[in-house]
Amino acid sequence: KQEVTQIPAALSVPEGENLVLNCSFTDSAIYNLQWFRQDPGKGLTSLLLIQSSQREQTSGRLNASLDKSSGRSTLYIAASQPGDSATYLCAVSNAGNNRKLIWGLGTSLAVNP
Amino acid sequence: KAGVTQTPRYLIKTRGQQVTLSCSPISGHRSVSWYQQTPGQGLQFLFEYFSETQRNKGNFPGRFSGRQFSNSRSEMNVSTLELGDSALYLCASQRVMNTEAFFGQGTRLTVV
Repeated sequence: KQEVTQIPAALSVPEGENLVLNCSFTDSAIYNLQWFRQDPGKGLTSLLLIQSSQREQTSGRLNASLDKSSGRSTLYIAASQPGDSATYLCAVSNAGNNRKLIWGLGTSLAVNP
Repeated sequence: KAGVTQTPRYLIKTRGQQVTLSCSPISGHRSVSWYQQTPGQGLQFLFEYFSETQRNKGNFPGRFSGRQFSNSRSEMNVSTLELGDSALYLCASQRVMNTEAFFGQGTRLTVV
């Protein structure tokens, strides 16, 4: 059974720092992995999608990597800003017939001015 | 291009009642999935619809049901509401199954 873990659960950094959020999964047979951002009381915003055949994806100040064999993904945020404060969630879609998204509990990020 | 629209945004119901939530996916998207989000459990998969057929179902009781219409809009229904059904219900829209998922703002259901 696929399980997704995100560490740390919470993170507080000063503005301008580069930071890394971690996501690990127990079953390497995934179809893709997606990173999302959630602001308090709001829905989810898709940040990056990495297919199982890819090693990384980049969008602006965000870079996500995927190491399927070790069951890990990282989300790198460069030059963090207060507007980056949110909860970051990763979700994996398993290979096979049932490709529902399986979620970590998220990392709550606070970027302090 | 309009995003995913969920209605209503907020609902307050009493125990024992039933509720229907609606989701309109992005135009051209044919797959709709539903998730329940609670502080303790995180996001839990409810069900997925594609071309008006339920393709996957999560581990929720039969009180939770859904359907998809020919225009890809989807509804989910919860009957005999319990206090534990209080949650944020999120709908995801995908062009087809297994592609990038886009979410609506959610419906916040409070059962009192």
